[in-house]
Amino acid sequence: QLQLQESGPGLVKPSETLSLTCTVSGGSISSSSYSWGWIRQPPGKGLEWVGSISYAGSTYYNPSLKSRVTISVDTSKNQFSLKLSSVTAADTAVYYCAGIAAAESSIDYWGQGTLLTVSS
Amino acid sequence: YELTQPPSVSVSPGQTARITCSGDALPKQYAYWYQQKPGQAPVLVLYQDSERPSGIPERFSGSNSGTTVTLTISGVQAEDEADYYCQSADISGTYVLFGGGTKLTVL
Repeated sequence: QLQLQESGPGLVKPSETLSLTCTVSGGSISSSSYSWGWIRQPPGKGLEWVGSISYAGSTYYNPSLKSRVTISVDTSKNQFSLKLSSVTAADTAVYYCAGIAAAESSIDYWGQGTLLTVSS
Repeated sequence: YELTQPPSVSVSPGQTARITCSGDALPKQYAYWYQQKPGQAPVLVLYQDSERPSGIPERFSGSNSGTTVTLTISGVQAEDEADYYCQSADISGTYVLFGGGTKLTVL
């Protein structure tokens, strides 16, 4: 049973770069059974897929965010990360990290979510 | 490309709730359903249109009729009150997409 835990600053200033990390426990991030993703949810609104990275390192980003997003994996720490540049208030959201089953393509595991606020 | 869900559905306890999700790529791409209760992360309740993960009650079922998929909750219970999101992919299977969510109210 995988467990995912997000960590990050909580508050970021406009125009800066948001950085979040997800620590995976209960399994290896290098496993071919899963890919890893980020989903966000603005306060009071619905879910929005940000992007994902496969066990082989291929990345897939939401077209609306693609120019600002980078997702990477650190196998030595069993972590994966999200960087979102040039943030605005519209990027304020709860950010969830997720484990996506490779065979079924289902989001089987979710972190608890971390609220990231963009404000000066 | 988008997935369209009704904003809200209301049912009385014991009745059947049906939540639809429409999208042009659904004939070619699987749909997934997630339940989200206030202050909690979403939970997968159906995958590949109609498969139930272990631990999900049998009252949750799914169907696909072309461009519309349906989540059916039979014998709705108070604990089923939540937001429900469908998820699928674009026609190429590259990009993940969520529907806008449906708030299920148990009267």
